[in-house]
Amino acid sequence: DTEVTQTPKHLVMGMTNKKSLKCEQHMGHRAMYWYKQKAKKPPELMFVYSYEKLSINESVPSRFSPECPNSSLLNLHLHALQPEDSALYLCASSLRLAGGRGETQYFGPGTRLLVL
Amino acid sequence: AQKITQTQPGMFVQEKEAVTLDCTYDTSDPSYGLFWYKQPSSGEMIFLIYQGSYDQQNATEGRYSLNFQKARKSANLVISASQLGDSAMYFCAMRPDNTNAGKSTFGDGTTLTVKP
Repeated sequence: DTEVTQTPKHLVMGMTNKKSLKCEQHMGHRAMYWYKQKAKKPPELMFVYSYEKLSINESVPSRFSPECPNSSLLNLHLHALQPEDSALYLCASSLRLAGGRGETQYFGPGTRLLVL
Repeated sequence: AQKITQTQPGMFVQEKEAVTLDCTYDTSDPSYGLFWYKQPSSGEMIFLIYQGSYDQQNATEGRYSLNFQKARKSANLVISASQLGDSAMYFCAMRPDNTNAGKSTFGDGTTLTVKP
């Protein structure tokens, strides 16, 4: 089973709202990722967790706050977003951060976010 | 710095024919992984195939094969016997096996349309 689940599928929020995106996997993967993807563009890496510790933060604005409560769960807390933050947010997981085939990332279906 | 180049923004193929999607890469890392992902209009990124930089043989997964030419730094995806469901955007990606582990570089993608 190579399933990564994400909720919600769609989210509309105002610029003053606080919301959270959730990602879950039960494959025993120890690396988890958040990506942002604009239409017809490649995904852009935001954050990487390895063994529940933040490993990479690609200079993401503080209005995005990641959290990894346990090895199966990854959250992205959103606050005071801007309209340009509207995008598809993809979560992914891999067995490990580095080392051959184990780096293969499996993606969730994404959350389509619209900021008004 | 790493770079992935996909020179074909769009490709058309007749159903049941084979098609090759081009990918060239640039890296100074001696060890890396190469990946192909499929992204239908629904948004989910689907892992297709993996090739390690030290693998001696070209990777194959069902109808997908990777034509890996290390000296030319190319990793083209070959899809045999195209099906209508293959219509999607395809991304080539690379990950180094070093201190930058976790950071995938994606190409800009190729949109494949399969004609009946």
